[in-house]
Amino acid sequence: NAGVTQTPKFRILKIGQSMTLQCAQDMNHNYMYWYRQDPGMGLKLIYYSVGAGITDKGEVPNGYNVSRSTTEDFPLRLELAAPSQTSVYFCASSYGTSGRAGDTQYFGPGTRLTVL
Amino acid sequence: AQSVTQLDSQVPVFEEAPVELRCNYSSSVSVYLFWYVQYPNQGLQLLLKYLSGSTLVKGINGFEAEFNKSQTSFHLRKPSVHISDTAEYFCAVSDVSSGAGSYQLTFGKGTKLSVIP
Repeated sequence: NAGVTQTPKFRILKIGQSMTLQCAQDMNHNYMYWYRQDPGMGLKLIYYSVGAGITDKGEVPNGYNVSRSTTEDFPLRLELAAPSQTSVYFCASSYGTSGRAGDTQYFGPGTRLTVL
Repeated sequence: AQSVTQLDSQVPVFEEAPVELRCNYSSSVSVYLFWYVQYPNQGLQLLLKYLSGSTLVKGINGFEAEFNKSQTSFHLRKPSVHISDTAEYFCAVSDVSSGAGSYQLTFGKGTKLSVIP
């Protein structure tokens, strides 16, 4: 299993440009998540999904959009990039069971995004 | 709402010395507790987690943590560190209740462990 994969690894955007960060998992996990990591700030949840066709906002959703058309893929869209979106973005997935709050989340390697 | 405080942002320690990374949490409900590790330029991976039962939890790479409900703490320990333990360590909590969003993790700001040869 490849686990959770993310593309691209690095990207530089100009203010106002758009892009999609790709995330895929091959573990048949129901739950998927997008986090951003800023230096000294830990990880903040942007959006999450509990299954195909179902998404919801996390703690910091402004400026982002997501979709989940398949179990495997969970892309994150930035419509109008701003310098405040400079960050490292991590996708994660978990199985999702009746004890889901205790599920381990598996993380991808991250995408480092710079907006200039 | 939950919050997690990692009391030390950086911890330098000599190789083969013991280390403790401190984590305190605040929550109005019961929580599950996690420690994740992030090696340089990589994603996070689970070290250990406390769900229920024994308050002493053993994880990978010789790490262990103890849940103390009265002190709302979940400190991470290792009796003898190696150079390869140099990484950033994150404490996280999730809500035990089964309501919507209960599986969301709230992370602390991280502690950078530097092992000195």
